[in-house]
Amino acid sequence: KAGVTQTPRYLIKTRGQQVTLSCSPISGHRSVSWYQQTPGQGLQFLFEYFSETQRNKGNFPGRFSGRQFSNSRSEMNVSTLELGDSALYLCASSLRTLDYEQYFGPGTRLTVT
Amino acid sequence: KNQVEQSPQSLIILEGKNCTLQCNYTVSPFSNLRWYKQDTGRGPVSLTIMTFSENTKSNGRYTATLDADTKQSSLHITASQLSDSASYICVVSALTGGGNKLTFGTGTQLKVEL
Repeated sequence: KAGVTQTPRYLIKTRGQQVTLSCSPISGHRSVSWYQQTPGQGLQFLFEYFSETQRNKGNFPGRFSGRQFSNSRSEMNVSTLELGDSALYLCASSLRTLDYEQYFGPGTRLTVT
Repeated sequence: KNQVEQSPQSLIILEGKNCTLQCNYTVSPFSNLRWYKQDTGRGPVSLTIMTFSENTKSNGRYTATLDADTKQSSLHITASQLSDSASYICVVSALTGGGNKLTFGTGTQLKVEL
């Protein structure tokens, strides 16, 4: 069974731009969640989607948004990029909810200059 | 406020030695506790997931313990190998009326040397 895939793996953007990251979950998994990881803050939860609906949300500004498609694939969008948005963005999928085991993708390394 | 604290922050051990990582949490209502291993530049990989009623769970050379009364967990690594060098992250799940909430520790950076 294929694992969670994320594209692109690396990205360089400039301040003020916007970016869209993509995540394909494990086949059969309906929950997709997104996380930001930085050396200073560690892993932080962004949001979770299930059946195309946002079910849980972390404490991030509205510049961070996401969506899920009918095939469970998910995208995350960050608008008006700031230098502090430089991070590793991880996507994870699980069968049903965050309470189930999470399977993480390799992440997208975003650098904002 | 829900918190997960891990100690030590970093650790260096010799190959073949054992080590124990600690995780203390103040998350409620508690649902489960997970340990993840994250190699540099890769996504975390689940090692164990423990519910309230489980005291010990093993995954090969990794053994996690949970004391729900004192809200403490430990991850014991036996006969360490160079490939165990990674960040180990403790995550606690709470099941609230608003849905599941995950609280992450900042991790213990383990380095295994020859």
